[in-house]
Parts: sequence; structure tokens; C-alpha cells
Amino acid sequence: EIVLTQSPGNLSLSPGERASLSCRASRRVSSNYLGWYQHKPGQAPRLLIYGASRRATGIPDRFSGSGSGTDFTLIISRLEPEDFAVYYCQQYGGSPPYTFGQGTKLEI
Amino acid sequence: EVQLVESGGGLFQPGGSLRLSCAASGFTVSSSYMSWVRQAPGKGLEWVSVIYDGGTTSYADSVKGRFTISRDNSQNTLFLQLNSLRAEDTAVYYCARDGGYNYGHNLDYWGQGILVTVSS
Repeated sequence: EIVLTQSPGNLSLSPGERASLSCRASRRVSSNYLGWYQHKPGQAPRLLIYGASRRATGIPDRFSGSGSGTDFTLIISRLEPEDFAVYYCQQYGGSPPYTFGQGTKLEI
Repeated sequence: EVQLVESGGGLFQPGGSLRLSCAASGFTVSSSYMSWVRQAPGKGLEWVSVIYDGGTTSYADSVKGRFTISRDNSQNTLFLQLNSLRAEDTAVYYCARDGGYNYGHNLDYWGQGILVTVSS
């Protein structure tokens, strides 16, 4: 099983600042199969980034993803008030086929 | 427009059973990989099960032997049968569509979620 470890667990920033979220895998992950989600209370998770660096439909360009192998990063270049949420990385492949990181809570 | 709507949640006793449904529109369930993902109170997202377009299924170890994923192609609906319920199955359950190879097999559409509470 590929374990995804996200850091930090909590991140306190202000609107306008830059956020950098990390996702480290216990084994190499195909870059094609690494995604990032935003999750707000009472809402469905929302796919932000797929294939490590491709923005999903309708996602603002302040969100960007990068990385390969075992280290991946989500950057939010200039935080908007609506960006405060929990962020998860997720990989596909192996057994089990889907795994999520434990999440990073981005708070004001 | 793609939509996923879950139903069937509620309060259930330990050892009991229930079936969750996820009605899909805007795409064909049988042509997609479809997953169930859950979030226990205060916890993160946990993948539960997938049914592939060919009908093969896979489960997380935590539910293997107790939960069964299936679909009804005529109703374009995904199901999750939950048996031998435990308190730790208490969670919001989401159905989600895998976007396929071109979307990195990430989950591009999600339902709003349905709460399942297991308690005596």
C-alpha cells in the first residue's frame, strides 16, 4: 500500500499570502495519477489538480501543482477567503487502488 | 450536466445492514470507474470501494467481506450494501466518478454525501 503523508497538518495564513502544501508518498507514484482536492464542511470534495500539475475544469490559476516520484506540492499563490478549507492529495494505482493523504487544514 | 445523488443513509444498529444508492445523470455509470469514499467524524477521506467499467470490484481492508458495491445499468445507479455494521462505519459516504486515464484516475465528480450513523 502506498501511504501519502501530508504536511503541515495545519497551516495558518492570511488572505493574500502564499500557501505551500506538501504530499510525500511512501513509494514512487506515477505523476499521471496524483491529484489534489479541496474539501469544505458540508460540501462535496472538489478536484483541483490531476496528473500532479493539471488544473481541473474551472479551477482558478492561483492553484498550481508540481512534483514527481515521491514528493508533490500544491501551491495557492494568493489566498482568497474562500480558499480556507482542508486539502487532500490522492493517488491511484497499486493495492488498494486509491489512497488519500490525511489532509492539511488551511485556516485563517 | 453530471450529477450524483446519494440516498439511503440514517441511523442503524450495530450488526445491522443498509444499502446506499447513488443515482447518476449526465454520464453512464457502467462506462466509468465508480467509487465510494467516506469521512468519519473528525477524520479525513477514506476510500471504501470501486467498481470498474468491466464489473470487477475492489475494497478497502476495513470493509472487505462486509460491504458490497454494485450497479444497476438500467437505472444508471451505483449501490453500496453495508452489512455487519460497526460503530466505526459511522461516516458521511460519498459516491464519486473516476475521471479516467485522461484525468489521472482522479475523482472528478462527487455526490453531496449521505450520513450513516451506527449506534444502539
